[in-house]
Amino acid sequence: NAGVTQTPKFQVLKTGQSMTLQCAQDMNHEYMSWYRQDPGMGLRLIHYSVGAGITDQGEVPNGYNVSRSTTEDFPLRLLSAAPSQTSVYFCASSYSSTRGLHYGYTFGSGTRLTVV
Amino acid sequence: SQKIEQNSEALNIQEGKTATLTCNYTNYSPAYLQWYRQDPGRGPVFLLLIRENEKEKRKERLKVTFDTTLKQSLFHITASQPADSATYLCALDKGAGRRALTFGSGTRLQVQP
Repeated sequence: NAGVTQTPKFQVLKTGQSMTLQCAQDMNHEYMSWYRQDPGMGLRLIHYSVGAGITDQGEVPNGYNVSRSTTEDFPLRLLSAAPSQTSVYFCASSYSSTRGLHYGYTFGSGTRLTVV
Repeated sequence: SQKIEQNSEALNIQEGKTATLTCNYTNYSPAYLQWYRQDPGRGPVFLLLIRENEKEKRKERLKVTFDTTLKQSLFHITASQPADSATYLCALDKGAGRRALTFGSGTRLQVQP
């Protein structure tokens, strides 16, 4: 049971380049989300998904796209990288019980992205 | 606007004492409140979840309280150890309709031996 796997762990991009941050979970969780963490600002929600085929925007969605074609995978695409997107990115997943009770999130180990 | 406040100043305590961390929120009605631990260079790790109709939750040396009238949660670590040194994050979950978390900026705890 690997939990939430994020790749790559480190990435350097040039301004204007595009790339995809990968996130995969093997726990059959229906809820997945992407956060970015900047010094002193805590984690901010970029996009989230409540199931395959369903995504929605968080607080800071501009410059990022997501899709959820399977339960397991939730990739984050940077369309045209900017220095302001230099950050640490975390993917997380969770689930609800059949009674609708919520549970804690499992986080990946993060992708440290630098845009020069 | 919605706001979650955690003490941005680091909390320094002696080993064996109880650490108490505070999370205050405004313009928010969370169905759940969660606490996470984050070590440098790592992702957050889930510790405890408390529901809006619960006043208190315990797990080993950890205790969380949730006061929806005061819009506040307290997170206690009893008999603290140097290994408890980390940043602790408070997160709100609105529940149905939006299944994602909103985080506070965290409080760094340093337990001195």
